[in-house]
Amino acid sequence: GDSVTQMEGPVTLSEEAFLTINCTYTATGYPSLFWYVQYPGEGLQLLLKATKADDKGSNKGFEATYRKETTSFHLEKGSVQVSDSAVYFCALRGNNAGNMLTFGGGTRLMVKP
Amino acid sequence: GAVVSQHPSRVICKSGTSVKIECRSLDFQATTMFWYRQFPKKSLMLMATSNEGSKATYEQGVEKDKFLINHASLTLSTLTVTSAHPEDSSFYICSAASTGTSGSYEQYFGPGTRLTVT
Repeated sequence: GDSVTQMEGPVTLSEEAFLTINCTYTATGYPSLFWYVQYPGEGLQLLLKATKADDKGSNKGFEATYRKETTSFHLEKGSVQVSDSAVYFCALRGNNAGNMLTFGGGTRLMVKP
Repeated sequence: GAVVSQHPSRVICKSGTSVKIECRSLDFQATTMFWYRQFPKKSLMLMATSNEGSKATYEQGVEKDKFLINHASLTLSTLTVTSAHPEDSSFYICSAASTGTSGSYEQYFGPGTRLTVT
């Protein structure tokens, strides 16, 4: 079945550092890929997405490129801020009839001033 | 646009009682709603998928008689935790899905409900 693997956290960075959170997936066909962010005590917010190979999703300074050859969708940001501290979830939506999302385990990011 | 609300945001109940959580899509009609459960510092676990007017489809291992889901309209789904026990304490998140005017299918998540059973 479909699965998503992302690096375990927590990831602790200083403000303005470069961020990479790795995400790889297993799925048949051509899934859509997503990054969601969850701030403390809140639900999930869609951060960015990509629906086909080589697409780059971007939002709020975050980027991720759909790499089919490496089945990856790594999240990057050039300069993190304290307000980026949250849990980040990589997810995919495969070609299943239910349009269900499959989530990775989540990566907690802590940015220190 | 595409706002999903949940009510209540937090609830504390006594063991043995039932609790109802509402999920509403405020500005769009949701053909499908999903209910997730999230344990502390863990990922989301899909509990069930519900389509308006039909019975919910539960994931393996989720007790349908304990977690009652009703999807009465295109903007409202409810999750009732019946005879709650402390192990049911968790963060419950719903999402509502629709196909936008561009044809893209999106899921929008609610803010979650923290349930504590004492």
